[in-house]
Amino acid sequence: QKEVEQNSGPLSVPEGAIASLNCTYSDRGSQSFFWYRQYSGKSPELIMSIYSNGDKEDGRFTAQLNKASQYVSLLIRDSQPSDSATYLCAVNEAGGFKTIFGAGTRLFVKA
Amino acid sequence: ETGVTQTPRHLVMGMTNKKSLKCEQHLGHNAMYWYKQSAKKPLELMFVYSLEERVENNSVPSRFSPECPNSSHLFLHLHTLQPEDSALYLCASSPQAMGNTEAFFGQGTRLTVV
Repeated sequence: QKEVEQNSGPLSVPEGAIASLNCTYSDRGSQSFFWYRQYSGKSPELIMSIYSNGDKEDGRFTAQLNKASQYVSLLIRDSQPSDSATYLCAVNEAGGFKTIFGAGTRLFVKA
Repeated sequence: ETGVTQTPRHLVMGMTNKKSLKCEQHLGHNAMYWYKQSAKKPLELMFVYSLEERVENNSVPSRFSPECPNSSHLFLHLHTLQPEDSALYLCASSPQAMGNTEAFFGQGTRLTVV
């Protein structure tokens, strides 16, 4: 059973701080990794994708990938109350059609 | 128009009813998906279609029946559902079904089975 594990939280950070969200996955052959943001009552929205080891930055967001450790993380700099949401880690199955999602980490940014 | 549109947004149905969920994508994508999202559980992949061909059926009960008449439209036909089927049903599309591909989700249909 291929799995994606995330700490369910809630993770609470003050406004302006760095929020760090972590994810581990079991499928060693996976090549594609994604972070989605889901506001309460809304559908998931893609915010970052990463395919190779290292860091990828997009505005206030940085995704980090370590395939040897099977670990993906998302850093949110200068966190804002509008960043309060559930963040879903997703991993594409190696050689298959499935994207496997973690259960998500709830983030609260306190004003 | 938004990229992926789902109708209806909310649906309440009895266990003996038959209903259908509709999804339409305007992104020119070749792959479409149905996911189920229950409270406090990960998104569960139900079905994957690539160029109108079903390529993944993730052990879904037969009371859920998908239909993909073309690459822009996807339906989920529902019949004799159970209360535990109440959930948010999400449609998504992606440029292709395999490889480095990002999914774009519709707004979802909130289904309640009574």
